[in-house]
Amino acid sequence: AQTVTQSQPEMSVQEAETVTLSCTYDTSESNYYLFWYKQPPSRQMILVIRQEAYKQQNATENRFSVNFQKAAKSFSLKISDSQLGDTAMYFCAFMITQGGSEKLVFGKGMKLTVNP
Amino acid sequence: GAGVSQTPSNKVTEKGKYVELRCDPISGHTALYWYRQSLGQGPEFLIYFQGTGAADDSGLPNDRFFAVRPEGSVSTLKIQRTERGDSAVYLCASSLYVQNIQYFGAGTRLSVL
Repeated sequence: AQTVTQSQPEMSVQEAETVTLSCTYDTSESNYYLFWYKQPPSRQMILVIRQEAYKQQNATENRFSVNFQKAAKSFSLKISDSQLGDTAMYFCAFMITQGGSEKLVFGKGMKLTVNP
Repeated sequence: GAGVSQTPSNKVTEKGKYVELRCDPISGHTALYWYRQSLGQGPEFLIYFQGTGAADDSGLPNDRFFAVRPEGSVSTLKIQRTERGDSAVYLCASSLYVQNIQYFGAGTRLSVL
């Protein structure tokens, strides 16, 4: 079975602080992609960052970076200098691209609140 | 268009009725996906189109659900004999085949009374 687990349902942080969101996944495949998506109250899922499993270097996008541990099947997201606009639901997901399908498998999400 | 467009934004219907949900993908995107997001959950995959054909429909829950993409652009998700358990947000996404990044619309919130 291919699953994604986000064990922290909710977190809060003060503006300008750093926060880490955890994610673990389970798959027997060797080639896959990992993603973090953000979902504000507007409902639209917005891509935060993407990691290719065959790349050992951790992806970074401005204030967002990941800690990808392939052997441990762990994919955590670090948000530096948190901003009020970072308040949202965050979903970890992976995608397997073999077998003709490219579906995303999502975790249950984590609610992040950034306080002023 | 600039982004993935989904209409209607909200749909309220009665149990047993038929509904259609529309998705207009980003221009030029060949791949299109439908997901269903129940309250407090992450999105769950329903169906994936590559061009006009359904490449993977393994997520459709039963034969009341059907989706089409006749011209390889706009897609319609059709639900027959709606049930209260069908109430959810239905999300659509599109991507360029080689990019492996899915861009989502704002979804349609379906409420079955």
